[in-house]
Amino acid sequence: GDSVTQMEGPVTLSEEAFLTINCTYTATGYPSLFWYVQYPGEGLQLLLKATKADDKGSNKGFEATYRKETTSFHLEKGSVQVSDSAVYFCALVTGGFKTIFGAGTRLFVKA
Amino acid sequence: DTEVTQTPKHLVMGMTNKKSLKCEQHMGHRAMYWYKQKAKKPPELMFVYSYEKLSINESVPSRFSPECPNSSLLNLHLHALQPEDSALYLCASSQGLSPLHFGNGTRLTVT
Repeated sequence: GDSVTQMEGPVTLSEEAFLTINCTYTATGYPSLFWYVQYPGEGLQLLLKATKADDKGSNKGFEATYRKETTSFHLEKGSVQVSDSAVYFCALVTGGFKTIFGAGTRLFVKA
Repeated sequence: DTEVTQTPKHLVMGMTNKKSLKCEQHMGHRAMYWYKQKAKKPPELMFVYSYEKLSINESVPSRFSPECPNSSLLNLHLHALQPEDSALYLCASSQGLSPLHFGNGTRLTVT
């Protein structure tokens, strides 16, 4: 079946460091790919998305490129802030109502 | 501010109680979802309503009973819960295959 694998956390970085969170997927068909972020005490919110191969999603300084050849959708940010501390979920949808989530990666950013 | 509103934010209930969780959205989305999220885990799908009809029940125990009174409202009725049902319950909505819009959840504790 379809699945999403994310790098295990937690990831701890200093402010202004470069961030990469790896995400790979297995899917039949042509999935749409998403990154969701969950701040403490809140629900998940969409961070960015890409719906076809080579699309780049971007938002709030975060970027991810849909790589079909490597089945990957890695999340990157050039300079993280303390306010980026949260849990990040990679996810895919191939059709219908089921979103497949990765396990989540917790990010801590130190001042 | 989230566009999906969930009440209450917190709920403590005994195993013999009956309570309800409520969710409301005014984005015109025709699909609404209930998810359960345990600590440090991704959300797990429980139910999906599409056009006010139950489309998916992920083999959820009958002590959880969903209801969709109209296209904007979604309820989850709880009865005879177990301590292991303690979790964050998230409501979400979507339009077609668009990303999920989540509420901030109800933190449920079963004593």
